[in-house]
Amino acid sequence: DTEVTQTPKHLVMGMTNKKSLKCEQHMGHRAMYWYKQKAKKPPELMFVYSYEKLSINESVPSRFSPECPNSSLLNLHLHALQPEDSALYLCASSQVAGDAYNEQFFGPGTRLTVL
Amino acid sequence: RKEVEQDPGPFNVPEGATVAFNCTYSNSASQSFFWYRQDCRKEPKLLMSVYSSGNEDGRFTAQLNRASQYISLLIRDSKLSDSATYLCVVIVSGNTGKLIFGQGTTLQVKP
Repeated sequence: DTEVTQTPKHLVMGMTNKKSLKCEQHMGHRAMYWYKQKAKKPPELMFVYSYEKLSINESVPSRFSPECPNSSLLNLHLHALQPEDSALYLCASSQVAGDAYNEQFFGPGTRLTVL
Repeated sequence: RKEVEQDPGPFNVPEGATVAFNCTYSNSASQSFFWYRQDCRKEPKLLMSVYSSGNEDGRFTAQLNRASQYISLLIRDSKLSDSATYLCVVIVSGNTGKLIFGQGTTLQVKP
């Protein structure tokens, strides 16, 4: 089963709100990722967690705060976002991080609109 | 120059046609190659992994040419349901397994 789930599917928030995106996988993968995707562009990597530790932060603004409570769960906490942060936020997982033969499987995404 | 380059298209083809997409990569240390398919407003889905010179899966054939640094995807007998954006993805050796995406090629199969 190559399934990654994400909630919510859609989220509308104001610039002063605090919200969280959630991601879950039950494939026993030890690497999880957050990507941001704008329309007609490829996904852009934001964060990588390897064995529940943050291993890569692609210079993401601090208004995005990732958290990995356990090996199956990944959260992205949002605070004081800007309208330009509106995008599709994708979670992905793979068996391990840092491996060249690293098939990543994506969740359905959360479509975020910041007003 | 982008690390992974694709012709954005769109490629408009009739049902039953054969269509091929090319993708070039600039880093000779690129080690692994993938094609993902992404439908409008959906997530990317892994279509094929290309680890050696190439592989085939039904109507889809992927080929890798390391000397010329390009990957191709051939779709035979196109179906309406093949309409999507096809993302060429590369992993560079020693680069923490980070996926490098091309801009994607849009395919529209017409009846």
